[in-house]
Amino acid sequence: DAGVIQSPRHEVTEMGQEVTLRCKPISGHDYLFWYRQTMMRGLELLIYFNNNVPIDDSGMPEDRFSAKMPNASFSTLKIQPSEPRDSAVYFCASSLDIRSGELFFGEGSRLTVL
Amino acid sequence: GQQVMQIPQYQHVQEGEDFTTYCNSSTTLSNIQWYKQRPGGHPVFLIQLVKSGEVKKQKRLTFQFGEAKKNSSLHITATQTTDVGTYFCAPDQTGANNLFFGTGTRLTVIP
Repeated sequence: DAGVIQSPRHEVTEMGQEVTLRCKPISGHDYLFWYRQTMMRGLELLIYFNNNVPIDDSGMPEDRFSAKMPNASFSTLKIQPSEPRDSAVYFCASSLDIRSGELFFGEGSRLTVL
Repeated sequence: GQQVMQIPQYQHVQEGEDFTTYCNSSTTLSNIQWYKQRPGGHPVFLIQLVKSGEVKKQKRLTFQFGEAKKNSSLHITATQTTDVGTYFCAPDQTGANNLFFGTGTRLTVIP
């Protein structure tokens, strides 16, 4: 199995630019999660999907953030416009089951906004 | 919100010494999971504990779930440099999921 695949691995952009992060979950996993990790705030759940439908987006910081899952094998997290405080590592994870299910994380996308 | 404390925040040990991290909740947990994240890496699932007083072992790692299901610990015997990383607990406080992570304990092993 290829595991959860994220791209890009690294992104450096300037404030105000649009950023799109991409994720391909493990085939057959019905749940997909987006997390953000920073030193100050730790590992934060931003949003998760079940069968491509957003279930809980209460962790999304603000309207500048949006996430989509057009099909079972692809999801995007978009930040528009980006700000320096958005600099973080963004992880995508997938799971078979949300109740007591093991999360499989991708390698992460390290975003730096200058 | 989540009321879970993970301690200590940081731990430096000499190689060969033991290490323990604790995850403490103010409410009874349905279960708890533990993850490890190597420096520059991503969290990787280690184990899940469900039953009161449960103890599970993985080689040099021993995981415990408290009798009251409000706390859990991860103990590493005779640490090695490969144990370096941050250890997170992910407690299920609602019976619904383990999606929220503790603050983590960053372990440094000095050779």
